[in-house]
Amino acid sequence: GAVVSQHPSRVICKSGTSVKIECRSLDFQATTMFWYRQFPKKSLMLMATSNEGSKATYEQGVEKDKFLINHASLTLSTLTVTSAHPEDSSFYICSAEGTGEMYEQYFGPGTRLTVT
Amino acid sequence: GQNIDQPTEMTATEGAIVQINCTYQTSGFNGLFWYQQHAGEAPTFLSYNVLDGLEEKGRFSSFLSRSKGYSYLLLKELQMKDSASYLCAVVDSNYQLIWGAGTKLIIKP
Repeated sequence: GAVVSQHPSRVICKSGTSVKIECRSLDFQATTMFWYRQFPKKSLMLMATSNEGSKATYEQGVEKDKFLINHASLTLSTLTVTSAHPEDSSFYICSAEGTGEMYEQYFGPGTRLTVT
Repeated sequence: GQNIDQPTEMTATEGAIVQINCTYQTSGFNGLFWYQQHAGEAPTFLSYNVLDGLEEKGRFSSFLSRSKGYSYLLLKELQMKDSASYLCAVVDSNYQLIWGAGTKLIIKP
C-alpha cells in the first residue's frame, strides 16, 4: 500500500515551453501533497505544499506564477513548469501525506526535467 | 519488482551507536541516498554512496555493498536531536528514485 506515482518519469522540453508533471496517490487519498526539487547530492528543497481544493502554499523564493500547482482531487496533484528555462532542469519529486496518526509522507519516484 | 527494506522503528540510548540497515532489489543501480527527516520538515541529505565501502562524515557513516544489495547508516554518539526518520533511496537504471518506507529512530535519555 501507500504507493505514489509520477508521470512522466523523464521529460525533455525546449526553452520557453511548459511542462506538466502529475503526482498520484494510487491506493490512498491524500489531502496534502508536497512538491520538492532535488539538486545533485543536495537535500530535497520543498517548493510548495498542495492541499486538495485550495491554493498551494509556496515556500519563500519559489515563483508561484512559474510553478503552477493544482490539487484537483484527493489522489492527484499537478505541477506545471511554465516558460521553462535551462536552469529549471532538475529532478522534481512529490510526496503524499498519509492519513495515519503520524502524517507520514510517501515519496514518488521523481521526474527528471531537462530543458534545452 | 523493485523493493527497498528498512526497519520500521528503532530505539537507542543517548550517547550510544545505532546502525540502520537498508536492503534493496532494484532494476539497476546508480547510487544510494540516505536522508534524515524530522517531523514536518523536508528530508535532509546525509550521504550518497555509489561505490562499495564506508564513507564517514562526522558522527554519521554510510556503508554500501552492491553485490549484497545492502547499505547501512551508522550514527555514533547519539544525541536527542537525532530522533527522526531515516530514509534510504536507491537510484535505479532509469535514474528513478526508489524509496524505502523510512526508519523512525527514537533516542532515549
